[in-house]
Amino acid sequence: QKEVEQNSGPLSVPEGAIASLNCTYSDRGSQSFFWYRQYSGKSPELIMFIYSNGDKEDGRFTAQLNKASQYVSLLIRDSQPSDSATYLCAVNSGNTGKLIFGQGTTLQVKP
Amino acid sequence: DVKVTQSSRYLVKRTGEKVFLECVQDMDHENMFWYRQDPGLGLRLIYFSYDVKMKEKGDIPEGYSVSREKKERFSLILESASTNQTSMYLCASSHGDRVFGYTFGSGTRLTVV
Repeated sequence: QKEVEQNSGPLSVPEGAIASLNCTYSDRGSQSFFWYRQYSGKSPELIMFIYSNGDKEDGRFTAQLNKASQYVSLLIRDSQPSDSATYLCAVNSGNTGKLIFGQGTTLQVKP
Repeated sequence: DVKVTQSSRYLVKRTGEKVFLECVQDMDHENMFWYRQDPGLGLRLIYFSYDVKMKEKGDIPEGYSVSREKKERFSLILESASTNQTSMYLCASSHGDRVFGYTFGSGTRLTVV
């Protein structure tokens, strides 16, 4: 059973701090990695994707991938209360368009 | 702006009713998916489709069926609704290529009473 693991949290950080969200996956063949943000009562929205080892930055968000360790993370710099949400890690399943999702980490940013 | 549209935001049905949840995408995506999301259980895949008239079971297909007669439309059918099918239902679509991830619809909150 291919799995994606995340700490459910909640992860609580003060406003302006760096939030670090982590995810591990079991399928060594995975090649595409995604981070979705989901506000309470809303559907998930894609905020970052990464395919290669290393870092990828987009504004306040940085995705980090280490395929050898089967580890992907999301850093949110200068965290804002509006970043408070559940963050879902997703990994592609084989050579299909299907994604495997983690359970999500709830982030709380306190003013 | 690309979209995945789910026909209803909130729906209340009675036990035993046949329920249709509709999903339409305007992105010419090959793949379409139906998930349900419940607190503490995350996203669970019900059915998916890689092409018109094709369907494959996901992790929890029992009590559900699907229909994909046109590329842009993927319907989820609850043959006889039960209270344990009360949930948030999310439709998603993606290109056949695995690299772009999913676009989700806004979700349907179904309550079966």
